[in-house]
This record gives sequence, C-alpha cells and structure tokens, in this order.
Amino acid sequence: DVKVTQSSRYLVKRTGEKVFLECVQDMDHENMFWYRQDPGLGLRLIYFSYDVKMKEKGDIPEGYSVSREKKERFSLILESASTNQTSMYLCASSQREEGELFFGEGSRLTVL
Amino acid sequence: RKEVEQDPGPFNVPEGATVAFNCTYSNSASQSFFWYRQDCRKEPKLLMSVYSSGNEDGRFTAQLNRASQYISLLIRDSKLSDSATYLCVVNTGSARQLTFGSGTQLTVLP
Repeated sequence: DVKVTQSSRYLVKRTGEKVFLECVQDMDHENMFWYRQDPGLGLRLIYFSYDVKMKEKGDIPEGYSVSREKKERFSLILESASTNQTSMYLCASSQREEGELFFGEGSRLTVL
Repeated sequence: RKEVEQDPGPFNVPEGATVAFNCTYSNSASQSFFWYRQDCRKEPKLLMSVYSSGNEDGRFTAQLNRASQYISLLIRDSKLSDSATYLCVVNTGSARQLTFGSGTQLTVLP
C-alpha cells in the first residue's frame, strides 16, 4: 500500500521560530510537492521537486524553502514563522507528471 | 475570477438521492481533469479522472464540457459514506500546474 508520511500532525510554534516539516514517501516517486490548504482557498502549491536536489517554486513560495537530499524525503522549512503561515500543510508525491497525487495526512501548524 | 471555481455548498441530501456538482475552469489550455475526495480532517484522495468522452465508476459519473469549460460529477444512490468534500482539480500542462478548486461539501443524511 502506498504511503506518504508527514512527521508531525499538529504543531504550535511562536512567531519567528524556525519550523521543519518533513515528508517521506515509500513509493519511489520522482515528484514531490508541498501544498497549504486554507478554507475557501483550496490547495495552493508552495514548492515542487521533480528529482533529488531539484526544486521549483510553486504559486506561494514566499517565506518557505525546501530540501530534497534523498529521493524519498522532502522537507519544508519556514525560516521565521509568521502568524499568516498558520495553515494545514499537505505533502504529496506522484510517479508521473500528470499522475495521481498521493497525499500525506497533513500537518496542522499554528503560529502564535 | 478564480482559475477553478466550485460551489462550496453545503449540499445536504437524503440517502438514495442523486446529486451533481459542477466545476468551472478559466484556462482553455487545461489538459486533464480530476475529482478528489477529502474526508473531514483527512487527506485528499483521487476519486476519478475525467476523460473527454465522460467516464463512469459505479455510482459516480464524471463529464467534461470543453466548450463551456466545466466538469461535472454525478453521484447516484447516495450513501452516508459519500459525505465528504469533493475537490475539482485541473492540470494545465505539468505537475506543478495543477490547480485545485476549494471544494464542494456534501452531507448525505439518513
């Protein structure tokens, strides 16, 4: 069974803290994604990676960075968390460009 | 105008009812289309792809109308377990060009 695992389901951080969200997939997928989901806005792409050490900005990359040192792992970093980054963060992977996305269970981040 | 628009609902229907959702998209270059299902506090999961000729999977039928730029999802004989948010997803060319609608909430009532 396919599996995308996100390291933390719930986090509470303070403004200015550095936040790491980790995502691991066991399907040997080439593509990995970080989205955030907010009510009324749908899922918005933060960053996308199509290979190890390769990344592309999505629609809302400001305030975020990513790291993909190994094929199975894709990390999202908030260098200095702000209250407007309070959101649900979803990691996903896919084998093909137009293929099915497999999502992790999400990480709900609250920044105080 | 949003790139992908859905009626947020909620749609509250009795068990056994037929319900249909529409989703409109603004980019005429859109190439592929999907419906994802998201249960409360869970991750989205692919429900079905939408093909030009329309496609059916059990009680679910998806259709694409390129001329009017919308896709639809029809659910027949609704079950309680169909209660979820249905996300319309449109792809304009590559993996990073997936655009998600904000979802339509369905509640099937006993």
